[in-house]
Amino acid sequence: ILNVEQSPQSLHVQEGDSTNFTCSFPSSNFYALHWYRWETAKSPEALFVMTLNGDEKKKGRISATLNTKEGYSYLYIKGSQPEDSATYLCAFQGSARQLTFGSGTQLTVLP
Amino acid sequence: DAGVIQSPRHEVTEMGQEVTLRCKPISGHNSLFWYRQTMMRGLELLIYFNNNVPIDDSGMPEDRFSAKMPNASFSTLKIQPSEPRDSAVYFCASSPADRVYEQYFGPGTRLTVT
Repeated sequence: ILNVEQSPQSLHVQEGDSTNFTCSFPSSNFYALHWYRWETAKSPEALFVMTLNGDEKKKGRISATLNTKEGYSYLYIKGSQPEDSATYLCAFQGSARQLTFGSGTQLTVLP
Repeated sequence: DAGVIQSPRHEVTEMGQEVTLRCKPISGHNSLFWYRQTMMRGLELLIYFNNNVPIDDSGMPEDRFSAKMPNASFSTLKIQPSEPRDSAVYFCASSPADRVYEQYFGPGTRLTVT
């Protein structure tokens, strides 16, 4: 059983604050690390796919880093907005195609 | 592109009944995944197909669950007989052969077994 852990489980921040959360995953048989954004009553939406150690990806105010040697990834949100409120899921992809998801970080941005 | 299509979006059934969930992957995608999302276990993979062939069904909870992919554009997940603990949101996702990293999720089917 693969262990993919996310922390914190939930987070409340004020509008305008910057925030970050962590995903830890196995450091062996690494293929890719995915971040998804999941709003209530919708399907998960892909944010980033990272494959190389040291990868950094950015989309607007959201960015992510990857360390495959130590098995962690950080997701950063700069200047959080209420519309950023969602659950952020990371998923580890090993040598096979299937994804193993973490339990998610539930972000609430208060106006 | 219409994206991954799932039906029905909501299903309410009584314990013991057969339930069939349907998925149409994005055209041209050759891998299809069934996931189940519950409060207790989060999002977990049930089974995935590559070129219509089941590759890994180790996530299927028990024999009451079965999945088929008769062709590249259609898959079903069947629960027979259903039980209240099967209540969950079931997602289907597909990915293309040339971008193996990407999975596109459908809207999900919310199943309630009473």
